[in-house]
Amino acid sequence: GENVEQHPSTLSVQEGDSAVIKCTYSDSASNYFPWYKQELGKGPQLIIDIRSNVGEKKDQRIAVTLNKTAKHFSLHITETQPEDSAVYFCAASQPNSGYALNFGKGTSLLVTP
Amino acid sequence: EAGVTQSPTHLIKTRGQQATLRCSPISGHTSVYWYQQALGLGLQFLLWYDEGEERNRGNFPPRFSGRQFPNYSSELNVNALELEDSALYLCASHSMGRKETQYFGPGTRLLVL
Repeated sequence: GENVEQHPSTLSVQEGDSAVIKCTYSDSASNYFPWYKQELGKGPQLIIDIRSNVGEKKDQRIAVTLNKTAKHFSLHITETQPEDSAVYFCAASQPNSGYALNFGKGTSLLVTP
Repeated sequence: EAGVTQSPTHLIKTRGQQATLRCSPISGHTSVYWYQQALGLGLQFLLWYDEGEERNRGNFPPRFSGRQFPNYSSELNVNALELEDSALYLCASHSMGRKETQYFGPGTRLLVL
C-alpha cells in the first residue's frame, strides 16, 4: 500500500520567516496530494492541493510543489504569522482506492512573534 | 453552506461496550469517509461509503462497521470496544464534481475506559 513520509515532525520559525514541510510517497499510482491544517480540538482543514499533472500551485502565502519522478511534494508558507501555528498533514490518494487519503504523520509548526 | 457535522462531540465508553458515531456530509455530497486519529498513529483511513454502499475499508478489524443512509448521512459502529480504540474519529465528504477533495468534520472524541 501507499506509504507517506513527512518531515520534519516539529518546526519552529520566527514570524515573517518561511516554513517548508516535505513529504515523500511510495505508490506511483497516487495522483492527488492535499495539505491539511489541524488546529487544537478541530478537524483537518484543507489549505491547498495539487494534482499529478501540475508541478506547482500557489495560493497567496501558501505554495505546493510536486516532483513526480522523485515522488516528493512540499508545502511552502511565506511570511509566517502566529496564526499559522498548527499541525500540518500531507496526504496522497488515487482513484483505485476511491481517493482514500494516506496521511503523513504530521508537522507541528510553531510561529513565534 | 454548512460543513460536515458529527455527533456526539465526546463519547465515553467502557471496554467491551459498543459505540455509535454519526456524520452528516455537506449538502449535495454523496460520499462519506471515516478516519481514526489515534495518539501516535496519525490519521488512518477506516471506511468509505458512496451511494449507500461500503466501497473500501482500511486495515481495521470487522468490529469497525458502518452504514450510509438514503440521505447520505452515515454511522460508524465500533463493537467490543478496546482501550486502543480511544481516538478522534473524523468524517469527511466529497462532491461528485471533485471526487478527490475531502472536507472534514470536527470529529468525535471517543474515550474507552
